[in-house]
Amino acid sequence: SAVISQKPSRDICQRGTSLTIQCQVDSQVTMMFWYRQQPGQSLTLIATANQGSEATYESGFVIDKFPISRPNLTFSTLTVSNMSPEDSSIYLCSVWAQGGTSATQYFGPGTRLLVL
Amino acid sequence: EDQVTQSPEALRLQEGESSSLNCSYTVSGLRGLFWYRQDPGKGPEFLFTLYSAGEEKEKERLKATLTKKESFLHITAPKPEDSATYLCAVHPTSGTYKYIFGTGTRLKVLA
Repeated sequence: SAVISQKPSRDICQRGTSLTIQCQVDSQVTMMFWYRQQPGQSLTLIATANQGSEATYESGFVIDKFPISRPNLTFSTLTVSNMSPEDSSIYLCSVWAQGGTSATQYFGPGTRLLVL
Repeated sequence: EDQVTQSPEALRLQEGESSSLNCSYTVSGLRGLFWYRQDPGKGPEFLFTLYSAGEEKEKERLKATLTKKESFLHITAPKPEDSATYLCAVHPTSGTYKYIFGTGTRLKVLA
């Protein structure tokens, strides 16, 4: 398994500003994922971040809006840029780690973002 | 298109009243099906992985089963601390790492 921490745990931001969310893992992992969870909706994958390469974004998400950094095998950041109220959501960091006999995705505690 | 549907959306049980949550899925091929528990204000906590029809996994009062079209999470004699949202996700063979999540079942167990 993996222990994941995120900072900040929650924030209230003004429209037009940017927020950077940090994700720290207690072990080295190749793949890290960023998800968004909007109220009443399922988790939606934003992008996959591999160390040493550009992040891969899912349909509907672009680098200019959600730039990601992955400087090493235990850390990543997601920035939510030029925020609008529609960006209010929970943002979750996830890693692919060995769990028992196979690899599984484990999640951090999430960052609750409210944009006014 | 790969899809996951969970039912019911919400479920209220009395303490000790057993029940089942359903996860129906449509995928071209299944690498694995995952159950997570999510408490309010927290990230999803991994519970089980199932890989093939007929497989079962158990943990305390929870038992997960898998068929070719759906999975059930059986809760036996639930306690108030079992109250949470239970999420189902599938890992299709069509993608390398992408999970498809359902919207979850919100379970409330009353004392």
